[in-house]
Amino acid sequence: GAVVSQHPSWVICKSGTSVKIECRSLDFQATTMFWYRQFPKQSLMLMATSNEGSKATYEQGVEKDKFLINHASLTLSTLTVTSAHPEDSSFYICSARGRLRGRPDYEQYFGPGTRLTVT
Amino acid sequence: LAKTTQPISMDSYEGQEVNITCSHNNIATNDYITWYQQFPSQGPRFIIQGYKTKVTNEVASLFIPADRKSSTLSLPRVSLSDTAVYYCLVGELTRSNTGKLIFGQGTTLQVKP
Repeated sequence: GAVVSQHPSWVICKSGTSVKIECRSLDFQATTMFWYRQFPKQSLMLMATSNEGSKATYEQGVEKDKFLINHASLTLSTLTVTSAHPEDSSFYICSARGRLRGRPDYEQYFGPGTRLTVT
Repeated sequence: LAKTTQPISMDSYEGQEVNITCSHNNIATNDYITWYQQFPSQGPRFIIQGYKTKVTNEVASLFIPADRKSSTLSLPRVSLSDTAVYYCLVGELTRSNTGKLIFGQGTTLQVKP
């Protein structure tokens, strides 16, 4: 079964509004969570790395004030797209790294993704 | 993080064995090789991981030559449901590592009836 969930699975918002995406690790504590963005027909692009209780580390070219990441607990990270514009429309995927039922604690598990459409 | 190179696309027919090769000339001593599968509008799914020689699980085999500069994912007897994008990733997997995974372009496998 799924070990990482995302909510919502899809969202449509108007230009200029903000939208929050949740990523939860199920049945394990995620020491680190990652956020990716994927445009149609393209590969996943890492946006940022977040560790519980500390500020996220953003990849070069990713605006930290536009993509707010909060990793408040060991099972939840949120990505808020602020003042969204149509060019922010994309598929956002999170992953979580942690120990799952006897597996090594450095393994990474991906969520199902969230489709964001900004109109 | 080592750069990987894969064919952009491959076609196959149901029941055939498919081999997808990935080049990673700059692989480091501590790097592992991991393959993921992704269906449209879904997150990547772990397929197999290895360090050297051959690894086999219930869905695939991974062949890694002695110099580790390439690897081959082997899918036995593919079916239509194996149509997906396959990513080869190379990175260090240790507790002290950041865990960053950098995805290359991937290989789009199209299985035909």
